[in-house]
Amino acid sequence: SQKIEQNSEALNIQEGKTATLTCNYTNYSPAYLQWYRQDPGRGPVFLLLIRENEKEKRKERLKVTFDTTLKQSLFHITASQPADSATYLCALDNQGGKLIFGQGTELSVKP
Amino acid sequence: KAGVTQTPRYLIKTRGQQVTLSCSPISGHRSVSWYQQTPGQGLQFLFEYFSETQRNKGNFPGRFSGRQFSNSRSEMNVSTLELGDSALYLCASRDLAEETQYFGPGTRLLVL
Repeated sequence: SQKIEQNSEALNIQEGKTATLTCNYTNYSPAYLQWYRQDPGRGPVFLLLIRENEKEKRKERLKVTFDTTLKQSLFHITASQPADSATYLCALDNQGGKLIFGQGTELSVKP
Repeated sequence: KAGVTQTPRYLIKTRGQQVTLSCSPISGHRSVSWYQQTPGQGLQFLFEYFSETQRNKGNFPGRFSGRQFSNSRSEMNVSTLELGDSALYLCASRDLAEETQYFGPGTRLLVL
């Protein structure tokens, strides 16, 4: 069956460091992959989308890579700040409007 | 543009009751998807509507249903509520010209 795994449930890092989050998937050939941020009690907020024919995408301090051979995406936040503390979700497209989400990684950035 | 809105934001029901949740998509977005989020199962897809037609459906029992109106607003209904239906229900809208889904704040449902 299709499965999406994010590397860990929680990640603690020091302010200024780079946070790296992992998303692995099996039994899947997605056309694209998305990363969302979710704060407690709120809906997910879209961050970045990367297509299967793209290796890397950047937006300000965010970078995402997509390796369809390894079936893995890495999400990086450089120069992390306490305000980056949130849960980060990866999501794969299955059929148009149907997104399959990972369990999320809770990132905590300490000052 | 105004974002996705969901009403009500919080709801308390008892087992056996039914509930209707409402979602207004971003203006111009014709696709609306619903998701259930629980601590144990995470975010799970319920169904997607486009132009008043259900296009995709997740693995949920028939107690979960939805519909979409001509103005793209959508409702979902859960009948014969069970304790396990307690969750955050999220609605997301999408412009079919792009893949990004825009989520609303969610409706927190508590079933007692």
